[in-house]
Amino acid sequence: SAVISQKPSRDICQRGTSLTIQCQVDSQVTMMFWYRQQPGQSLTLIATANQGSEATYESGFVIDKFPISRPNLTFSTLTVSNMSPEDSSIYLCSVVGLASNEQFFGPGTRLTVL
Amino acid sequence: QKEVEQNSGPLSVPEGAIASLNCTYSDRGSQSFFWYRQYSGKSPELIMFIYSNGDKEDGRFTAQLNKASQYVSLLIRDSQPSDSATYLCAVKGGPPGSARQLTFGSGTQLTVLP
Repeated sequence: SAVISQKPSRDICQRGTSLTIQCQVDSQVTMMFWYRQQPGQSLTLIATANQGSEATYESGFVIDKFPISRPNLTFSTLTVSNMSPEDSSIYLCSVVGLASNEQFFGPGTRLTVL
Repeated sequence: QKEVEQNSGPLSVPEGAIASLNCTYSDRGSQSFFWYRQYSGKSPELIMFIYSNGDKEDGRFTAQLNKASQYVSLLIRDSQPSDSATYLCAVKGGPPGSARQLTFGSGTQLTVLP
């Protein structure tokens, strides 16, 4: 399976600021996703990161709040903009490898907004 | 009705027993089924996947799929305290290799008692 890294692993941020999370994979992948997991909850898909084009957002998530980039097949960023305490969560990058049907998760970024 | 349903638990079994985790899904077009294990504070880890009706065994884990009943289960034999975690069922519509997204259940919390 692909090795996925995320930066930062955790952060504490002030209300109204923005944080960009990076996801790097050690091999080319077809699909890259961003999920959110709030305490005690299951996974919620934010968006699918598309290479070279705008991400595909799920209902309830918008580009102005969660801009996403994917410049190539191994890297993506998620920005959480104008943060509020309700954005405190774990943000997870997830990928599907080339010629694969299985989906794997990065280690996650634990975000706390004060 | 939720698309993917799991008993949230908690499910407690004694060490050495068989743990049985169940999942039902609503989309009859679903063709790929996954089980993830998530330890507290960690990201989900893929432990089993199954695409065809019947049983699939991998070590102490057996996945069972019954598409007619829209039911998938995970059996853990000889349960160990290290198996204590939340187990997430995930379902994908379309054939293996399609670009469909995973739909996750809410997870079942398993505790294996020494």
